[in-house]
Amino acid sequence: DSGVTQTPKHLITATGQRVTLRCSPRSGDLSVYWYQQSLDQGLQFLIQYYNGEERAKGNILERFSAQQFPDLHSELNLSSLELGDSALYFCASSGTGGWDGYTFGSGTRLTVV
Amino acid sequence: EDKVVQSPLSLVVHEGDTVTLNCSYEVTNFRSLLWYKQEKKAPTFLFMLTSSGIEKKSGRLSSILDKKELFSILNITATQTGDSAVYLCAVEYVAAGNKLTFGGGTRVLVKP
Repeated sequence: DSGVTQTPKHLITATGQRVTLRCSPRSGDLSVYWYQQSLDQGLQFLIQYYNGEERAKGNILERFSAQQFPDLHSELNLSSLELGDSALYFCASSGTGGWDGYTFGSGTRLTVV
Repeated sequence: EDKVVQSPLSLVVHEGDTVTLNCSYEVTNFRSLLWYKQEKKAPTFLFMLTSSGIEKKSGRLSSILDKKELFSILNITATQTGDSAVYLCAVEYVAAGNKLTFGGGTRVLVKP
């Protein structure tokens, strides 16, 4: 167990729907990152939050949004889903005691049908 | 756009063999290069390299960075079937946040 918790593990939904993915970072970590991993694109950075504030943004679609709450958990909202949004969505967290890389959660596998 | 390229795409070896994985990058304002191992789900951290020419070792795995030629190598000696995985290279550059740009990965299959 990495200490980064993602729920749900699997999600199957229809095109046009909206889903919310949840992430709880490792205890004490202030930064949360969201990544999308698809077969043809590899791991793509979506967005980073640090202590509730958006810190960095990648190629995140306008249909996607995220936030980090006061208890530091984060949610990634995906709306108007398309078949191409099917992927593994990873959350990662990092600490404040010096940069030593991320700790990844086990991911949410999203299948859009 | 920042780019990280890994080679080979995949390889098959037998237990006991040595493998060498390559990662080259075109990243401005480089800060660090990281290696991850991804088996079934979550990538797990292996090494972080920031200084050129200093080898990092962990058991049978080792890695080195060449900041002049912009590449890194991950070596696995005396491979075991448990080393079968996708190995990911990622580069962090100086910018807001700690965004990592990942390469496409090298899939390693170790046969008994």
